[in-house]
Amino acid sequence: AQSVTQLGSHVSVSEGALVLLRCNYSSSVPPYLFWYVQYPNQGLQLLLKYTSAATLVKGINGFEAEFKKSETSFHLTKPSAHMSDAAEYFCAVSHQGAQKLVFGQGTRLTINP
Amino acid sequence: DAGVTQSPTHLIKTRGQQVTLRCSPKSGHDTVSWYQQALGQGPQFIFQYYEEEERQRGNFPDRFSGHQFPNYSSELNVNALLLGDSALYLCASSLGQGQPQHFGDGTRLSIL
Repeated sequence: AQSVTQLGSHVSVSEGALVLLRCNYSSSVPPYLFWYVQYPNQGLQLLLKYTSAATLVKGINGFEAEFKKSETSFHLTKPSAHMSDAAEYFCAVSHQGAQKLVFGQGTRLTINP
Repeated sequence: DAGVTQSPTHLIKTRGQQVTLRCSPKSGHDTVSWYQQALGQGPQFIFQYYEEEERQRGNFPDRFSGHQFPNYSSELNVNALLLGDSALYLCASSLGQGQPQHFGDGTRLSIL
């Protein structure tokens, strides 16, 4: 079975500061990993994905994530936060041949001016 | 290029009623998945349709059923609605295995 744990249901940073959202996964097979963002009253938008290629993955809006197999982690980072980054972020796992996504509980990111 | 579209955007039902939600996938996509997102939670996988057949199913009762049409659009049906069925229902589409899923804006279902 696969599972995702997102550490911190709420993260608050100042505008211009580093954003770090933590995600740990559990999977018995090589995982595919994803980060999605959800703005209020909207669906989920894909930020980036890891599918067994490069371990450092660059996504949209300046976000990137690093796959660390030894730590079973896939943390999301952005060097400098912008007010428009305020949203809910979800980490998700699946594996090849099974497109079912298993999501974490989400992390609400707040940006302080 | 239209993305994933869902209808209706909002729906209010009472306990015991039945509801049908609709989804049109992104152009070129052939696989549709449905998720339930309760307030403050991450989405939970309901089921996935490909080639008009249910390919995978999550841990949801038989009250939840679906259908995929030849044009790849899909419906989610929920019978005997319970208060706990109140949630945002998300449709996602994709092409091929291992490809990222693209989500619609969802249908917010409220049960009174």
